[in-house]
Amino acid sequence: GEDVEQSLFLSVREGDSSVINCTYTDSSSTYLYWYKQEPGAGLQLLTYIFSNMDMKQDQRLTVLLNKKDKHLSLRIADTQTGDSAIYFCAEIPYGNNRLAFGKGNQVVVIP
Amino acid sequence: EAGVTQSPTHLIKTRGQQATLRCSPISGHTSVYWYQQALGLGLQFLLWYDEGEERNRGNFPPRFSGRQFPNYSSELNVNALELEDSALYLCASSLPGGRTDLSYTFGSGTRLTVV
Repeated sequence: GEDVEQSLFLSVREGDSSVINCTYTDSSSTYLYWYKQEPGAGLQLLTYIFSNMDMKQDQRLTVLLNKKDKHLSLRIADTQTGDSAIYFCAEIPYGNNRLAFGKGNQVVVIP
Repeated sequence: EAGVTQSPTHLIKTRGQQATLRCSPISGHTSVYWYQQALGLGLQFLLWYDEGEERNRGNFPPRFSGRQFPNYSSELNVNALELEDSALYLCASSLPGGRTDLSYTFGSGTRLTVV
Protein backbone atom coordinates (compact mmCIF):
# COMPACT_ATOMS: atom_id res chain seq x y z
CA GLY A 1 0.00 0.00 0.00
CA GLU A 2 1.04 3.56 -0.57
CA ASP A 3 -0.09 5.45 2.51
CA VAL A 4 -0.92 2.86 5.14
CA GLU A 5 1.17 0.20 6.83
CA GLN A 6 0.08 -3.15 8.18
CA SER A 7 1.68 -6.24 9.62
CA LEU A 8 1.30 -9.34 7.52
CA PHE A 9 0.19 -12.53 9.24
CA LEU A 10 -1.82 -13.56 12.29
CA SER A 11 -2.76 -17.03 13.45
CA VAL A 12 -5.51 -17.31 16.07
CA ARG A 13 -7.47 -20.12 17.67
CA GLU A 14 -11.20 -20.28 17.15
CA GLY A 15 -12.97 -18.50 19.98
CA ASP A 16 -10.03 -16.25 20.84
CA SER A 17 -9.83 -12.56 20.01
CA SER A 18 -7.68 -11.28 17.19
CA VAL A 19 -6.26 -7.79 16.81
CA ILE A 20 -5.00 -6.30 13.56
CA ASN A 21 -3.08 -3.04 13.52
CA CYS A 22 -2.56 -0.39 10.91
CA THR A 23 -0.74 2.93 10.67
CA TYR A 24 -2.05 5.54 8.28
CA THR A 25 -0.54 8.80 7.07
CA ASP A 26 -3.25 11.32 6.18
CA SER A 27 -4.64 12.92 9.32
CA SER A 28 -7.34 14.67 7.26
CA SER A 29 -9.01 11.45 6.15
CA THR A 30 -12.72 11.66 6.92
CA TYR A 31 -13.22 7.92 7.27
CA LEU A 32 -10.92 5.01 7.92
CA TYR A 33 -12.01 1.66 6.62
CA TRP A 34 -11.50 -2.03 7.21
CA TYR A 35 -12.03 -4.35 4.26
CA LYS A 36 -12.16 -8.13 4.26
CA GLN A 37 -11.06 -10.32 1.37
CA GLU A 38 -11.99 -13.97 1.50
CA PRO A 39 -10.05 -16.45 -0.65
CA GLY A 40 -10.74 -15.93 -4.35
CA ALA A 41 -13.09 -13.03 -3.74
CA GLY A 42 -13.13 -9.26 -4.05
CA LEU A 43 -13.10 -6.82 -1.16
CA GLN A 44 -16.00 -6.42 1.19
CA LEU A 45 -16.38 -3.35 3.41
CA LEU A 46 -16.30 -4.76 6.91
CA THR A 47 -16.58 -1.63 8.99
CA TYR A 48 -15.43 1.96 9.09
CA ILE A 49 -14.88 4.69 11.64
CA PHE A 50 -15.48 8.40 11.31
CA SER A 51 -12.31 10.34 12.02
CA ASN A 52 -13.79 12.24 14.97
CA MET A 53 -14.47 8.99 16.86
CA ASP A 54 -12.08 7.06 19.07
CA MET A 55 -13.93 3.78 19.06
CA LYS A 56 -16.67 2.02 17.19
CA GLN A 57 -18.26 -1.27 18.15
CA ASP A 58 -20.14 -3.34 15.59
CA GLN A 59 -21.19 -6.75 16.96
CA ARG A 60 -17.96 -8.77 17.25
CA LEU A 61 -15.87 -5.99 15.73
CA THR A 62 -14.25 -3.14 17.65
CA VAL A 63 -12.37 -0.41 15.84
CA LEU A 64 -10.01 1.82 17.79
CA LEU A 65 -8.61 5.01 16.36
CA ASN A 66 -5.65 6.86 17.84
CA LYS A 67 -5.44 10.06 15.84
CA LYS A 68 -2.35 11.33 17.64
CA ASP A 69 -0.33 8.30 16.57
CA LYS A 70 -2.33 7.73 13.34
CA HIS A 71 -2.98 4.20 14.49
CA LEU A 72 -6.02 2.13 13.64
CA SER A 73 -6.84 -1.30 15.00
CA LEU A 74 -9.51 -3.90 14.45
CA ARG A 75 -10.40 -6.37 17.17
CA ILE A 76 -12.46 -9.42 16.29
CA ALA A 77 -14.01 -11.07 19.33
CA ASP A 78 -14.82 -14.79 19.43
CA THR A 79 -12.96 -15.36 16.15
CA GLN A 80 -14.63 -17.95 13.93
CA THR A 81 -13.36 -20.00 11.00
CA GLY A 82 -15.32 -17.75 8.65
CA ASP A 83 -13.11 -14.87 9.77
CA SER A 84 -10.13 -16.42 7.98
CA ALA A 85 -9.33 -13.83 5.34
CA ILE A 86 -7.04 -10.97 4.43
CA TYR A 87 -7.94 -7.71 6.15
CA PHE A 88 -7.01 -4.35 4.68
CA CYS A 89 -7.19 -0.98 6.31
CA ALA A 90 -7.74 1.94 3.97
CA GLU A 91 -8.15 5.69 3.81
CA ILE A 92 -8.95 8.25 1.15
CA PRO A 93 -5.99 10.66 1.16
CA TYR A 94 -6.50 14.38 0.80
CA GLY A 95 -6.77 15.47 -2.82
CA ASN A 96 -7.86 12.07 -4.00
CA ASN A 97 -11.09 10.20 -4.49
CA ARG A 98 -9.55 6.77 -4.38
CA LEU A 99 -8.87 4.38 -1.53
CA ALA A 100 -5.29 3.83 -0.42
CA PHE A 101 -4.78 0.41 1.13
CA GLY A 102 -2.32 -1.18 3.45
CA LYS A 103 -0.59 -4.38 2.35
CA GLY A 104 -3.12 -6.43 4.22
CA ASN A 105 -3.02 -8.78 7.16
CA GLN A 106 -3.79 -12.44 6.62
CA VAL A 107 -5.73 -13.95 9.50
CA VAL A 108 -5.82 -17.72 9.78
CA VAL A 109 -8.26 -19.17 12.31
CA ILE A 110 -7.30 -22.57 13.68
CA PRO A 111 -10.28 -24.73 14.68
CA GLU B 1 -29.65 -4.83 -7.35
CA ALA B 2 -26.64 -6.22 -9.20
CA GLY B 3 -23.24 -5.50 -7.71
CA VAL B 4 -20.09 -4.56 -9.57
CA THR B 5 -19.50 -7.16 -12.25
CA GLN B 6 -16.17 -7.93 -13.84
CA SER B 7 -15.38 -10.07 -16.85
CA PRO B 8 -13.78 -12.37 -17.56
CA THR B 9 -13.15 -13.99 -14.20
CA HIS B 10 -9.97 -15.59 -15.47
CA LEU B 11 -7.72 -14.66 -18.39
CA ILE B 12 -4.57 -16.35 -19.61
CA LYS B 13 -2.35 -14.48 -22.05
CA THR B 14 1.08 -14.88 -23.52
CA ARG B 15 3.84 -12.37 -22.86
CA GLY B 16 3.65 -9.52 -25.38
CA GLN B 17 -0.08 -9.87 -26.01
CA GLN B 18 -2.78 -7.43 -25.00
CA ALA B 19 -5.44 -8.01 -22.35
CA THR B 20 -8.81 -6.29 -22.02
CA LEU B 21 -10.69 -6.42 -18.74
CA ARG B 22 -14.22 -5.14 -18.27
CA CYS B 23 -16.18 -3.70 -15.38
CA SER B 24 -19.82 -2.76 -14.97
CA PRO B 25 -20.53 -0.50 -12.00
CA ILE B 26 -23.53 -0.49 -9.74
CA SER B 27 -26.44 1.38 -11.26
CA GLY B 28 -26.18 5.04 -10.32
CA HIS B 29 -22.44 4.94 -9.66
CA THR B 30 -20.45 7.20 -11.96
CA SER B 31 -16.93 6.58 -10.68
CA VAL B 32 -14.94 3.46 -11.53
CA TYR B 33 -11.57 2.54 -10.02
CA TRP B 34 -9.08 -0.11 -11.04
CA TYR B 35 -6.64 -1.77 -8.66
CA GLN B 36 -3.94 -4.36 -9.18
CA GLN B 37 -3.39 -6.98 -6.51
CA ALA B 38 -0.18 -8.80 -7.26
CA LEU B 39 1.08 -11.48 -4.91
CA GLY B 40 2.73 -9.97 -1.85
CA LEU B 41 2.22 -6.37 -2.99
CA GLY B 42 -1.16 -5.49 -1.58
CA LEU B 43 -3.57 -3.37 -3.58
CA GLN B 44 -2.04 -0.86 -5.94
CA PHE B 45 -4.22 1.90 -7.38
CA LEU B 46 -4.22 1.94 -11.19
CA LEU B 47 -6.85 4.30 -12.59
CA TRP B 48 -9.92 6.32 -11.65
CA TYR B 49 -12.60 7.27 -14.15
CA ASP B 50 -15.53 9.54 -13.54
CA GLU B 51 -18.08 10.83 -16.04
CA GLY B 52 -16.07 9.38 -18.89
CA GLU B 53 -12.82 11.12 -17.95
CA GLU B 54 -9.62 9.79 -16.45
CA ARG B 55 -9.32 11.62 -13.11
CA ASN B 56 -6.29 10.05 -11.52
CA ARG B 57 -3.64 7.54 -12.37
CA GLY B 58 -1.38 5.42 -10.22
CA ASN B 59 2.31 4.77 -10.72
CA PHE B 60 1.99 2.41 -13.68
CA PRO B 61 3.52 2.57 -17.17
CA PRO B 62 1.49 3.90 -20.13
CA ARG B 63 0.84 0.39 -21.43
CA PHE B 64 -1.85 0.29 -18.72
CA SER B 65 -4.74 2.30 -20.06
CA GLY B 66 -8.48 2.31 -20.04
CA ARG B 67 -11.65 4.15 -20.74
CA GLN B 68 -15.12 4.71 -19.42
CA PHE B 69 -18.17 4.46 -21.62
CA PRO B 70 -21.32 6.64 -21.56
CA ASN B 71 -23.11 3.96 -19.52
CA TYR B 72 -20.26 4.25 -16.95
CA SER B 73 -18.89 0.78 -17.61
CA SER B 74 -15.14 0.65 -18.03
CA GLU B 75 -12.37 -1.24 -19.75
CA LEU B 76 -8.82 -1.73 -18.60
CA ASN B 77 -6.32 -2.49 -21.35
CA VAL B 78 -2.85 -3.83 -20.71
CA ASN B 79 -0.56 -3.82 -23.74
CA ALA B 80 2.72 -5.67 -24.26
CA LEU B 81 2.01 -7.98 -21.35
CA GLU B 82 4.87 -8.90 -19.05
CA LEU B 83 5.06 -11.81 -16.65
CA GLU B 84 4.85 -9.47 -13.66
CA ASP B 85 1.47 -8.23 -14.85
CA SER B 86 0.03 -11.48 -13.54
CA ALA B 87 -2.31 -10.40 -10.78
CA LEU B 88 -5.89 -10.05 -9.63
CA TYR B 89 -7.38 -6.88 -11.11
CA LEU B 90 -10.15 -5.43 -9.02
CA CYS B 91 -12.67 -2.87 -10.12
CA ALA B 92 -14.69 -0.72 -7.74
CA SER B 93 -17.44 1.79 -8.30
CA SER B 94 -18.80 4.61 -6.21
CA LEU B 95 -21.09 7.58 -6.19
CA PRO B 96 -19.30 10.86 -6.89
CA GLY B 97 -19.23 11.60 -3.17
CA GLY B 98 -15.63 12.63 -2.80
CA ARG B 99 -13.70 11.83 0.34
CA THR B 100 -16.72 11.19 2.53
CA ASP B 101 -17.90 8.39 0.31
CA LEU B 102 -19.09 5.15 1.82
CA SER B 103 -20.49 3.78 -1.39
CA TYR B 104 -17.33 2.07 -2.66
CA THR B 105 -18.21 -1.43 -3.87
CA PHE B 106 -15.77 -3.91 -5.30
CA GLY B 107 -16.21 -6.58 -7.92
CA SER B 108 -14.80 -10.08 -7.53
CA GLY B 109 -11.93 -9.37 -9.88
CA THR B 110 -10.30 -10.73 -13.00
CA ARG B 111 -7.39 -13.08 -12.48
CA LEU B 112 -4.87 -12.36 -15.23
CA THR B 113 -2.11 -14.88 -15.78
CA VAL B 114 0.69 -14.08 -18.20
CA VAL B 115 2.73 -17.05 -19.40
